[in-house]
Amino acid sequence: ETGVTQTPRHLVMGMTNKKSLKCEQHLGHNAMYWYKQSAKKPLELMFVYNFKEQTENNSVPSRFSPECPNSSHLFLHLHTLQPEDSALYLCASSQETHYEQYFGPGTRLTVT
Amino acid sequence: GNSVTQMEGPVTLSEEAFLTINCTYTATGYPSLFWYVQYPGEGLQLLLKATKADDKGSNKGFEATYRKETTSFHLEKGSVQVSDSAVYFCALSDRGGNNRLAFGKGNQVVVIP
Repeated sequence: ETGVTQTPRHLVMGMTNKKSLKCEQHLGHNAMYWYKQSAKKPLELMFVYNFKEQTENNSVPSRFSPECPNSSHLFLHLHTLQPEDSALYLCASSQETHYEQYFGPGTRLTVT
Repeated sequence: GNSVTQMEGPVTLSEEAFLTINCTYTATGYPSLFWYVQYPGEGLQLLLKATKADDKGSNKGFEATYRKETTSFHLEKGSVQVSDSAVYFCALSDRGGNNRLAFGKGNQVVVIP
């Protein structure tokens, strides 16, 4: 595998479910990111991890819980989501936080 | 703070037409500039970049020149193809600022055969 991979690619969940999104980067990068992309809205940065430490949380609701066990893996744990959380969730990585980012294909999440 | 502004609205043009997408920026330090492309159903891909004033980034027939005097990084392609239909995002990274990417809102480009 090369680049940034994300699983699953598609996810449908009810509002009472708990699920997790997984991201893995094979680029030897030190920084990883979660973004939310909704229709007709700008790309929203959710979380930033640098050397496994969370350095940024952009006022994301607590029903989204990130986890970064090492520099290659990033998770987004989801629970009691709302329909407005339906979106494409993109993971990215970069060598350092000011370098260009490389994106995964995204997880298309639908909350019913 | 850092910000990127892209022209409003989708861009629709015919195959082999000339494409320009405008991008201007505001930055506190010495930014690097990027164009990303997002094809339907996929994540963002880095298309090209420029790290200092007067640099020209190029890839797949696309070009953009870092113009510090006009704080711009306009994307151009001389002859578009249907396969260029995608959303294009301008972005900047400022090592003197908050050290992460700032994205524009993106422009949908539709190329008609």
